[in-house]
Amino acid sequence: ETGVTQTPRHLVMGMTNKKSLKCEQHLGHNAMYWYKQSAKKPLELMFVYNFKEQTENNSVPSRFSPECPNSSHLFLHLHTLQPEDSALYLCASSQDTAAHYEQYFGPGTRLTVT
Amino acid sequence: AQTVTQSQPEMSVQEAETVTLSCTYDTSESDYYLFWYKQPPSRQMILVIRQEAYKQQNATENRFSVNFQKAAKSFSLKISDSQLGDAAMYFCAYRSVRRDDKIIFGKGTRLHILP
Repeated sequence: ETGVTQTPRHLVMGMTNKKSLKCEQHLGHNAMYWYKQSAKKPLELMFVYNFKEQTENNSVPSRFSPECPNSSHLFLHLHTLQPEDSALYLCASSQDTAAHYEQYFGPGTRLTVT
Repeated sequence: AQTVTQSQPEMSVQEAETVTLSCTYDTSESDYYLFWYKQPPSRQMILVIRQEAYKQQNATENRFSVNFQKAAKSFSLKISDSQLGDAAMYFCAYRSVRRDDKIIFGKGTRLHILP
C-alpha cells in the first residue's frame, strides 16, 4: 500500500479556503490521475498527466487546479469550493496512459466542504 | 458512449460460500479491457482481475474468476470460498484499447461477508 501515497487523508475546509491535496508515487510511473468518488456515483476521472504534461481535463470546474511538477508528484489545488465538491479524491498512477498498463490507486483524501 | 452497469448495490454471502457479482456494459467496440476492482473500507482500491475482450478464455486469479459473455456484454465476478477479508466495494470497469481513453466505472456493489 505504499506505492501511491496521498496527504492529507482527511480535510475539512470552508468554501472560502484554499487548500491543496498531494499525491506521490514510488513506482517509477509516468502517468498520474485524479479521480473524484462521490457516494452512489461511479468514479469520475478529473485530470490525467503523462510525462508531466496534462493530457486530459474532463470538464472540471476551474476551482480545481492540478499541478504536476515531476512524474512522481501530483497536486490538486482547491479554492472557492462548493458543498457538492465533498467527496473522496483518489490519485492513481500507471506506467503510461496506454490501455494495457494497470492503474495503481492511492488511499484517497476524504474532503468535506462546509 | 460506453456505459457500465452493476445492478446489485449490495450483496451478502456466508463465509466459505460462493457469490457472483453481476456487471453488464455497452460498447460498439470489438476490442477492450474489462476489470474488477476491490475497495476495502478505508483502504486502497486494487485490481482484482482483468479480462481482454479478444481472449475467449475466462480470467482466473486464485479464488476469483469471471464469466465473460462477449455477445451478451456481461462480465460477472465469482468469488469462491468467501473470506472475511473479501468484504469491500467491488467496481466493474471498462476501458477501450485506444491510448488515452479513460476507464469507465460502474457504481459498485458492496459485498458483506457473514461469519
